[in-house]
Amino acid sequence: DAGVIQSPRHEVTEMGQEVTLRCKPISGHDYLFWYRQTMMRGLELLIYFNNNVPIDDSGMPEDRFSAKMPNASFSTLKIQPSEPRDSAVYFCASSLTSTGDYGYTFGSGTRLTVV
Amino acid sequence: LAKTTQPISMDSYEGQEVNITCSHNNIATNDYITWYQQFPSQGPRFIIQGYKTKVTNEVASLFIPADRKSSTLSLPRVSLSDTAVYYCLPYGSSNTGKLIFGQGTTLQVKP
Repeated sequence: DAGVIQSPRHEVTEMGQEVTLRCKPISGHDYLFWYRQTMMRGLELLIYFNNNVPIDDSGMPEDRFSAKMPNASFSTLKIQPSEPRDSAVYFCASSLTSTGDYGYTFGSGTRLTVV
Repeated sequence: LAKTTQPISMDSYEGQEVNITCSHNNIATNDYITWYQQFPSQGPRFIIQGYKTKVTNEVASLFIPADRKSSTLSLPRVSLSDTAVYYCLPYGSSNTGKLIFGQGTTLQVKP
């Protein structure tokens, strides 16, 4: 398996623009997680899905952020409009179970810079 | 949610054994302990997990005493490539399946 695939690897955008981050989880993994990492706040869980259904979005910072999982092999995290404080590395992870009995597999991340 | 405490940073030299201890005094009965490793510019990577006593795999060993209030990740004969951030996380019923990362321990291996 190619692992969790995220695109793009790097994104530079201007404040106010819409940004869409993409994730392809490992086939057969029923759980998908979106994390954000910054120097100040570390790794933060934003939202997670089970069988394509959002289960917990309590970590989503505000209404500008939205996440979807239209099918088992694809998820998006959208920021509209983007702000400089959204600059971070965004990771997608997938797992067989919610408790991570076999570990979560993370993608390589998308480094977002909002100028 | 079980709170964890681990050293912010550690230094070591190549070839040495490194032990990173994590404190989790209020770990729930059904919680396991899992450790992740994160290299710069990469996502975290699952290393090892355990419930009690000792677990060993090709990467590391994990020691969990009988009271389960702490755990120690042991990396044998580290190399420069082991320089990374190491996270200790409890998981199970106490966190309803969500892995919550703390600040981790930054291990710097020197030549």
